[in-house]
Amino acid sequence: GNSVTQMEGPVTLSEEAFLTINCTYTATGYPSLFWYVQYPGEGLQLLLKATKADDKGSNKGFEATYRKETTSFHLEKGSVQVSDSAVYFCALPFPNTDKLIFGTGTRLQVFP
Amino acid sequence: EPEVTQTPSHQVTQMGQEVILRCVPISNHLYFYWYRQILGQKVEFLVSFYNNEISEKSEIFDDQFSVERPDGSNFTLKIRSTKLEDSAMYFCASRDDRVSGNTIYFGEGSWLTVV
Repeated sequence: GNSVTQMEGPVTLSEEAFLTINCTYTATGYPSLFWYVQYPGEGLQLLLKATKADDKGSNKGFEATYRKETTSFHLEKGSVQVSDSAVYFCALPFPNTDKLIFGTGTRLQVFP
Repeated sequence: EPEVTQTPSHQVTQMGQEVILRCVPISNHLYFYWYRQILGQKVEFLVSFYNNEISEKSEIFDDQFSVERPDGSNFTLKIRSTKLEDSAMYFCASRDDRVSGNTIYFGEGSWLTVV
């Protein structure tokens, strides 16, 4: 069945540093892939998505490329800000359903 | 931007008590969900609901759980007799259709603490 593995946190960075949060998946076929973000005290928000292989999702300076060769969907940002401090979740759907499987979440802490 | 709203944001209850968590999905959405996240663990699917009935449920969603759409706007999760292990953040979610890749919108969550 489909599954997702996400790097453990926390990830601690200084402002303007480069960010990578790794996500790899196993899946039947080529499902859509998602990154959700949870800011402190808030709900889960869709950050970006990619609906097919080789697609690049992007939003708020974050990017992730759907790579079927390496079954990965790593999240990257060139220059993080303190306001990016949050928990980031990689997700994909169960096969033939509309429910999501989430990774364990990676906490990002950015210091000035 | 329209949003999913949940109440209460935090509830403490005694073991064995009934709890109802409330959600107002986005108004034109047709598919509704509950997920939960036990502290330090993954976000897990509980149940999906469409056309006034459960369309899918997980193994977690046993007879102690039920969902209801009592009117045109609310979507509730009831836990009949809470256990300590029900302590978690419960997320309500909705979306307008099942098109692959379509966005599921989540609420801010309701923290349930069972003591």
